[in-house]
Amino acid sequence: QKEVEQNSGPLSVPEGAIASLNCTYSDRGSQSFFWYRQYSGKSPELIMSIYSNGDKEDGRFTAQLNKASQYVSLLIRDSQPSDSATYLCASDSGGYQKVTFGTGTKLQVIP
Amino acid sequence: DAGVTQSPTHLIKTRGQQVTLRCSPKSGHDTVSWYQQALGQGPQFIFQYYEEEERQRGNFPDRFSGHQFPNYSSELNVNALLLGDSALYLCASSFEQGANGYTFGSGTRLTVV
Repeated sequence: QKEVEQNSGPLSVPEGAIASLNCTYSDRGSQSFFWYRQYSGKSPELIMSIYSNGDKEDGRFTAQLNKASQYVSLLIRDSQPSDSATYLCASDSGGYQKVTFGTGTKLQVIP
Repeated sequence: DAGVTQSPTHLIKTRGQQVTLRCSPKSGHDTVSWYQQALGQGPQFIFQYYEEEERQRGNFPDRFSGHQFPNYSSELNVNALLLGDSALYLCASSFEQGANGYTFGSGTRLTVV
């Protein structure tokens, strides 16, 4: 079982819609969770971090964490074509010295 | 404000050779983590350096080694290169081992022929 699992997609949403990206993790000891965005040919960029159960909002982005279900999600409101990228979920599955990434979900926002 | 600097950006090596990749962390960061990213995959953790010591290691053979210098910069060395080592190598810098997330460099694209 992979430590961090994501659906590889692609997830296609129309411009202006809400994109919902999901992630599950296997290590119940994980404390920190991250969402990174990676444009094609570029390196990952941190967009959200979340440490407590519940929601965390930052502009058009909302991260949700449910530790009981070992589930993390990212909502992108008012999706724009510029949001088209691969979104990587990550957690500190081996302690914060080791952050493990999922394989990423490719998001396509259709104009 | 300088971000994370990696060098070189691209590299072509022959099987069996050795390679050294370099990383300078973002100003104010003291921790460097190295990742390998194959095409279409997520980054795979190689190891993390903090206070000039390897703090954690992923599932990579001993052919992969590293070092961190007093100025926090780091090197990744790979010996006896295999075709399968061809990938994008990413350096991620952070403060105090990364509880608040990483800043990634632009990566080194290694091709082994």
